[in-house]
Amino acid sequence: ETGVTQTPRHLVMGMTNKKSLKCEQHLGHNAMYWYKQSAKKPLELMFVYNFKEQTENNSVPSRFSPECPNSSHLFLHLHTLQPEDSALYLCASSPQSGSAYNEQFFGPGTRLTVL
Amino acid sequence: AQSVAQPEDQVNVAEGNPLTVKCTYSVSGNPYLFWYVQYPNRGLQFLLKYITGDNLVKGSYGFEAEFNKSQTSFHLKKPSALVSDSALYFCAVRDISGGYNKLIFGAGTRLAVHP
Repeated sequence: ETGVTQTPRHLVMGMTNKKSLKCEQHLGHNAMYWYKQSAKKPLELMFVYNFKEQTENNSVPSRFSPECPNSSHLFLHLHTLQPEDSALYLCASSPQSGSAYNEQFFGPGTRLTVL
Repeated sequence: AQSVAQPEDQVNVAEGNPLTVKCTYSVSGNPYLFWYVQYPNRGLQFLLKYITGDNLVKGSYGFEAEFNKSQTSFHLKKPSALVSDSALYFCAVRDISGGYNKLIFGAGTRLAVHP
């Protein structure tokens, strides 16, 4: 893979559960991202962190709560989700959010199923 | 607002034939364009990018893309397709609204290369 790891790879949860997704990057990057990938829809940017500060919250429902304790780790805390939240959640990192030239490096994703 | 469009949900190609995956863009200012590939159960992998300079950009795995300003297109190409090229391909454009860099992705095109 590309130096970005995500755990767990698969998660099944009920609507009343609380769970967390974890992302770790080993590339020395300063920006980290959460995306949602649903079938037959474009990737949806959810959150952006730049030097541990949240710089984007793309109208994401409050049942998704991100946390970025340092530039290498990113979490997505989940609670009271809905079945329509079932999707592949992708984490990405890049050298610096403000640079125009830097591509993003993606993790393998967490396949989430909400029952 | 910046956007990209991938007009084909799926492209079918015989192995050994040339392939083209189409992308058109709409931007204000200079376009910074990217192609990513997603293999099954994997995250997105960066293929190539256009920032400035030559209109023909070469990338990973023998892929290239041609930037055409007059047609606002950035089509992905490969002279001879392999079965292993079968995957989901995403075009993306840089968006700096909000004062920082993020990518806007197309809906993706599934490439199927048949033996």
